[in-house]
Amino acid sequence: DAGVIQSPRHEVTEMGQEVTLRCKPISGHNSLFWYRQTMMRGLELLIYFNNNVPIDDSGMPEDRFSAKMPNASFSTLKIQPSEPRDSAVYFCASSRRTSSYNEQFFGPGTRLTVL
Amino acid sequence: GQQLNQSPQSMFIQEGEDVSMNCTSSSIFNTWLWYKQEPGEGPVLLIALYKAGELTSNGRLTAQFGITRKDSFLNISASIPSDVGIYFCAGRGGSQGNLIFGKGTKLSVKP
Repeated sequence: DAGVIQSPRHEVTEMGQEVTLRCKPISGHNSLFWYRQTMMRGLELLIYFNNNVPIDDSGMPEDRFSAKMPNASFSTLKIQPSEPRDSAVYFCASSRRTSSYNEQFFGPGTRLTVL
Repeated sequence: GQQLNQSPQSMFIQEGEDVSMNCTSSSIFNTWLWYKQEPGEGPVLLIALYKAGELTSNGRLTAQFGITRKDSFLNISASIPSDVGIYFCAGRGGSQGNLIFGKGTKLSVKP
């Protein structure tokens, strides 16, 4: 079975450019999460969706960050304009959300470097 | 907000030794999860715990959901070189859909 798919795996861009990260969750999962991982701050939740609807975006650092989930099988995280401090590994995770099921499955991540 | 304290931050052990790491929270959780992350990869789920007192094993790994619901531990028995990686605890409390992650325990195993 395919796991969570993320693209690209690596992205190098210059400050000020727009960056779009993509995620395809596991089929049948109805919750999707975007995380950012850095050495200093560890794993931080940026935003999550239930049934394609954003539920909590309090972790989104600034208005430069935006996320969409137009359908159950696709989500994007966009940074515009990008800054060097945005350099990190960005993970997408998905889960089947029920009252008792909380297991999230992670994609391989996108390593973003902003020069 | 909810916080998780994970310890130790890092461990250097000899192959064959047992390993123990733990997480404590400032509030009650109803779910504890343990993940392992290897370089260049995303975290992989190892064990999920849903009941206070629950003890669950996955091969050489054993994890327990603390009775107070504010802590959990992970044990690895007879460590091997491929156990190297960063181990994260994660918890969920209340009705939130999101998980809170610990800072991780970096495990190094010397052959």
